Amino acid sequence: EIVMTQSPATLSVSPGERATLSCRASQSVGSDLAWYQQKPGQAPRLLIYGASTRAAGIPARFSGSGSGTEFTLTISSLQSEDFAVYYCQQYSNWPPWTFGPGTKVDIK
Amino acid sequence: QVQLVQSGAEVKKPGASVKVSCKASGYTFTSYGISWVRQAPGQGLEWMGWISAHNGNTNYAQNVQGRVTMTTDTSTSTVYMELRSLRSDDTAVYYCGRDLAAMIPTVSDCWGQGTLVIVSS
Repeated sequence: EIVMTQSPATLSVSPGERATLSCRASQSVGSDLAWYQQKPGQAPRLLIYGASTRAAGIPARFSGSGSGTEFTLTISSLQSEDFAVYYCQQYSNWPPWTFGPGTKVDIK
Repeated sequence: QVQLVQSGAEVKKPGASVKVSCKASGYTFTSYGISWVRQAPGQGLEWMGWISAHNGNTNYAQNVQGRVTMTTDTSTSTVYMELRSLRSDDTAVYYCGRDLAAMIPTVSDCWGQGTLVIVSS
């Protein structure tokens, strides 16, 4: 099973600032990496798949990069609605899909 | 628009079974798969399995294999997830998600609202 790790666990950012979230896989997943956003009491929302392809309707301030074992989600200028928990997920080697433990982005 | 609507919250005793439904609308049901993910209180996301709405093929996570069954009803565009021999650590919100592909599990681009299952004596 591929183990996903994320850092940092919590990221405190001021509105308008840039946020950089990291995700690491225990073995190569190629580009089969997705990012989700989840707000309290809500279902996850797909942001990025294929490591760098934005899902439909996702603002351009969200971007993904990386391949193999190291991935990054960048939010170029944080808006108030972006404060949430972000999960990475690999879908290269299944079963199972595996998720990272999440990075909470909160207001500084 | 694409929508997945799940059945309501359930309270079950240990050892019982629960069957959660996920009704799809707004797209061609058999052109996609459905994945199930759960989230225990205050915890992260855990993938449980996937079913192809195209051919009914399934793939389950090892930690629920033998206790879980996913099925589809193409006449009503509904997917069901049954979990048996419930334990307290099955207490979670269960989400269904429409997968981007029909033949293999990939990523889910649209999710149901979640179904809270509480297992308690």
